[in-house]
Amino acid sequence: SQKIEQNSEALNIQEGKTATLTCNYTNYSPAYLQWYRQDPGRGPVFLLLIRENEKEKRKERLKVTFDTTLKQSLFHITASQPADSATYLCALTGNTGKLIFGQGTTLQVKP
Amino acid sequence: GAVVSQHPSWVICKSGTSVKIECRSLDFQATTMFWYRQFPKQSLMLMATSNEGSKATYEQGVEKDKFLINHASLTLSTLTVTSAHPEDSSFYICSARGVDFYEQYFGPGTRLTVT
Repeated sequence: SQKIEQNSEALNIQEGKTATLTCNYTNYSPAYLQWYRQDPGRGPVFLLLIRENEKEKRKERLKVTFDTTLKQSLFHITASQPADSATYLCALTGNTGKLIFGQGTTLQVKP
Repeated sequence: GAVVSQHPSWVICKSGTSVKIECRSLDFQATTMFWYRQFPKQSLMLMATSNEGSKATYEQGVEKDKFLINHASLTLSTLTVTSAHPEDSSFYICSARGVDFYEQYFGPGTRLTVT
């Protein structure tokens, strides 16, 4: 069955460092991979979308890579700030447009 | 742009009653909206896909007679939880598809507590 795995353990880093979050998937060939941010008690907020034929995408301090051979995406936040503390969700999309979410990784950036 | 609202943001109801949750796209038209459910410390699970003017498509295991979805206009979809039970207590989130087929914009969510 299709499976999306994100590190369920919280990631704690120091302000100013680069945070790297991992998303692995199996039994799936997504057309797109997306990353969302979710704060407690709130809906997800779209961050970045990367297509299957793209290796890397950047937006300000964010960078996403997509390796369809390894079936893995890495999400980087450079120069992290305490305001970046949140849960980050990886989501895959197939041709139907439906999103399948990972369970999310909680990032805590300490000042 | 691309703002989605939900109402109410939280609701408490008694077991056996019905609750309606509204999802609105405020500044764009959405022919397709999605309804998700999220339990504490778990991921979002897609419940159903709602297309304007047609019947919703439910995911496997979701009772369509219990979770009634109506998408009567291009900016409004509603989810009604009928005969609610305590196990229906959850965080319900809607999303609307944007211009790009693969982009979804999420509402802030509705916290439902059934006592």
